[in-house]
Amino acid sequence: GQNIDQPTEMTATEGAIVQINCTYQTSGFNGLFWYQQHAGEAPTFLSYNVLDGLEEKGRFSSFLSRSKGYSYLLLKELQMKDSASYLCAVISTGGFKTIFGAGTRLFVKA
Amino acid sequence: NAGVMQNPRHLVRRRGQEARLRCSPMKGHSHVYWYRQLPEEGLKFMVYLQKENIIDESGMPKERFSAEFPKEGPSILRIQQVVRGDSAAYFCASSPPSTSGTEAFFGQGTRLTVV
Repeated sequence: GQNIDQPTEMTATEGAIVQINCTYQTSGFNGLFWYQQHAGEAPTFLSYNVLDGLEEKGRFSSFLSRSKGYSYLLLKELQMKDSASYLCAVISTGGFKTIFGAGTRLFVKA
Repeated sequence: NAGVMQNPRHLVRRRGQEARLRCSPMKGHSHVYWYRQLPEEGLKFMVYLQKENIIDESGMPKERFSAEFPKEGPSILRIQQVVRGDSAAYFCASSPPSTSGTEAFFGQGTRLTVV
């Protein structure tokens, strides 16, 4: 079967660092995405990993270990506006079908 | 360059009616994906289409649901004889004709409410 696991909710403090983990078991792997989704809005692209290692983009970084079926999204210098759901998504067989995790709701408090 | 356009943004239907959701992909994008999102849940893949072809519909219920992406015009997700359980946000995403490393761009979604 295909499965993507993320924590349901996390809470962190403004200015801090938070790491959101994602583990996956899919039939085939052609890359992993992280999306941000504010309530009632469309998901927006944050990062893409296809090779092992860390991809850094400003305050956001994403890590991938294909052998472990594991990724994390790291958010630094948290801001209140970072309160949102973060969706881990894997492109599985054929390179086109994207499977989404249920998302992690992040609450940033002052 | 307009983004992915979905309409309507909100749709209310009575049980037993038909719902038609439209999606116009970004210019130059030939791949369209439909997802359903229930409140407080993640996105569930429904169907992947290219122009005039359904590539993968493994996530779509076998009955009452159908999707198309004609040569001309938007992609349509059609739900016949809607039931309360169909109430959800339906997101469309599009991507260019490439099979690797291509992010999908999402529309704003259609929120279907069945009363």
